[in-house]
Amino acid sequence: SYVLTQPPSVSVAPGQTARITCGGNNIGSKSVHWYQQKPGQAPVLVVYDDSDRPSGIPERFSGSNSGNTATLTISRVEAGDEADYYCQVWDSSSDPSVVFGGGTKLTVL
Amino acid sequence: QVQLQESGPGLVKPSQTLSLTCTVSGGSISSGDYYWSWIRQPPGKGLEWIGYIYYSGSTYYNPSLKSRVTISVDTSKNQFSLKLSSVTAADTAVYYCAREGGFWGQGTLVTVSS
Repeated sequence: SYVLTQPPSVSVAPGQTARITCGGNNIGSKSVHWYQQKPGQAPVLVVYDDSDRPSGIPERFSGSNSGNTATLTISRVEAGDEADYYCQVWDSSSDPSVVFGGGTKLTVL
Repeated sequence: QVQLQESGPGLVKPSQTLSLTCTVSGGSISSGDYYWSWIRQPPGKGLEWIGYIYYSGSTYYNPSLKSRVTISVDTSKNQFSLKLSSVTAADTAVYYCAREGGFWGQGTLVTVSS
């Protein structure tokens, strides 16, 4: 089965740029979606199809995907961005399935 | 705007079957080319995909749960459902229903305990 690997934690100071990676075999050939989850809340889609933003998501959130790594970039980080972030892909290599990364805790220092 | 709401018992005994229903509003399950998913999150842990049902009724399940999972759809009620059999404490989690495009229910905590 397909595996997505994320760093358990990333820390950044307010106003700086946070980059959260998601590694997978040839992930660049797949569409990657990113979710933000705050404590006690359902996940919220912040980036879909590698780099598109849903309506209402600030431009500070952006994504890229190439080779074996996808990246979620959060510019001008704010205290309110502190959350868990999950990457997700559809894997059609065998039975079609949904795969989530293990999640990254973003801490705003 | 599509909205989803999970419902079902919050407490299930070990070895029994967990049953949840997701009610969809603001859109029809039978219209559009969408996958309707169940996802769970054990306390303090990450997201785990359980399975999904296509609007046509085709289903796909997480191989690690496949032997215990059934997802079905009732288009007349605009609902889809999850059944997970032979539950243990390891199945204790917040269960979410979701539709591709970022539409999720608020989640419901199911505890497996005698």
